[in-house]
Amino acid sequence: GNSVTQMEGPVTLSEEAFLTINCTYTATGYPSLFWYVQYPGEGLQLLLKATKADDKGSNKGFEATYRKETTSFHLEKGSVQVSDSAVYFCALSVGTALIFGKGTTLSVSS
Amino acid sequence: DVKVTQSSRYLVKRTGEKVFLECVQDMDHENMFWYRQDPGLGLRLIYFSYDVKMKEKGDIPEGYSVSREKKERFSLILESASTNQTSMYLCASSPGGVRQTEQYFGPGTRLTVT
Repeated sequence: GNSVTQMEGPVTLSEEAFLTINCTYTATGYPSLFWYVQYPGEGLQLLLKATKADDKGSNKGFEATYRKETTSFHLEKGSVQVSDSAVYFCALSVGTALIFGKGTTLSVSS
Repeated sequence: DVKVTQSSRYLVKRTGEKVFLECVQDMDHENMFWYRQDPGLGLRLIYFSYDVKMKEKGDIPEGYSVSREKKERFSLILESASTNQTSMYLCASSPGGVRQTEQYFGPGTRLTVT
């Protein structure tokens, strides 16, 4: 079946540190991959996406590369800010619905 | 910008009450979704709809029903609320005819059943 596994949190970093949140997936067919972000008290917002192997999605300094050989879509940012504190969800789509990971909470302190 | 709105941000109901959660989107999307979000479990799909009056069960439909009488509106109904339905409920929409596209989410309704 289709599933998404992302690293357990919480992740606690100091401002300007490097961020990696791991995400791996299992899917039949050729999924599209997404990272969503949820700021406190809000709904989910699309952060970035990639629709085929070797695509790199990027937005607001975040990047993720669709790696078919390792079935991964790890989220990275070179220098995090306090305002990046949020919950991050990896997701895949092979049709109409999205399948989400359980979310990783990121806390950034100044 | 796509806008998805939900009728309430916070709701408190008693066990056994019938509860209606409303969701409206303004981008003429064919697909609409209801999820619940719980700590440690992520988002789980309750129901989705790909057209007016059409619905499909998601992963956890038990205890819920839905209604889609108009394209822009998708309602989630708890026929008899129970304490284990205390959760954050998120509505989303996406365009039809486009596979594997992103979904647009509302701000969520935090429901507490006492």
